Amino acid sequence: QKEVEQDPGPLSVPEGAIVSLNCTYSNSAFQYFMWYRQYSRKGPELLMYTYSSGNKEDGRFTAQVDKSSKYISLFIRDSQPSDSATYHCATLDSGTYKYIFGTGTRLKVLA
Amino acid sequence: DAGVIQSPRHEVTEMGQEVTLRCKLISGHNSLFWYRQTMMRGLELLIYFNNNVPIDDSGMPEDRFSAKMPNASFSTLKIQPSEPRDSAVYFCASSPRSRSGNTEAFFGQGTRLTVV
Repeated sequence: QKEVEQDPGPLSVPEGAIVSLNCTYSNSAFQYFMWYRQYSRKGPELLMYTYSSGNKEDGRFTAQVDKSSKYISLFIRDSQPSDSATYHCATLDSGTYKYIFGTGTRLKVLA
Repeated sequence: DAGVIQSPRHEVTEMGQEVTLRCKLISGHNSLFWYRQTMMRGLELLIYFNNNVPIDDSGMPEDRFSAKMPNASFSTLKIQPSEPRDSAVYFCASSPRSRSGNTEAFFGQGTRLTVV
């Protein structure tokens, strides 16, 4: 079992839709959770991070962590064609300082 | 700061040849990570260094792969001999590791390697 599991998609939605991206993780000791966004032919860039359980909101983006079910989510409201990218969930193993990534979900927002 | 700089951006080589990928860290960062990205497996951690010391190389697929960090700002990933299944995009990332653990990994633009 991979430490972080993510559906690779692709996911296509119409402009304006609410997008829900999800991951599960296996190690209950993980505390730091991140979402990275990667545009085509670019490196991943940090979009949001959360510590432990709860929600964090930044504009149209909301990151959610449910530690009881080991579930990580990213919600995008009013999605735009410019949101089309691959979204990676990741966790930081604070014991080893390794960043562990899911496989990434390819999102396409259609105009 | 120009960010993490990788070279070359693209490399096409013949099977059996030696390939060297290069990475310059962001000044002041002390952790360096090499990842390989493929469609099937996503971002796979190959090896990471802290303060120039390799901490975990369990992701290095075979002895054909080696990585060095000769100084605090530079790293190389070498594949010798290269094989077609090594074709992928290779990223390095650096971070200013801190005790809080809340640090961002900054990625380079990647090297797209094609082995024919």
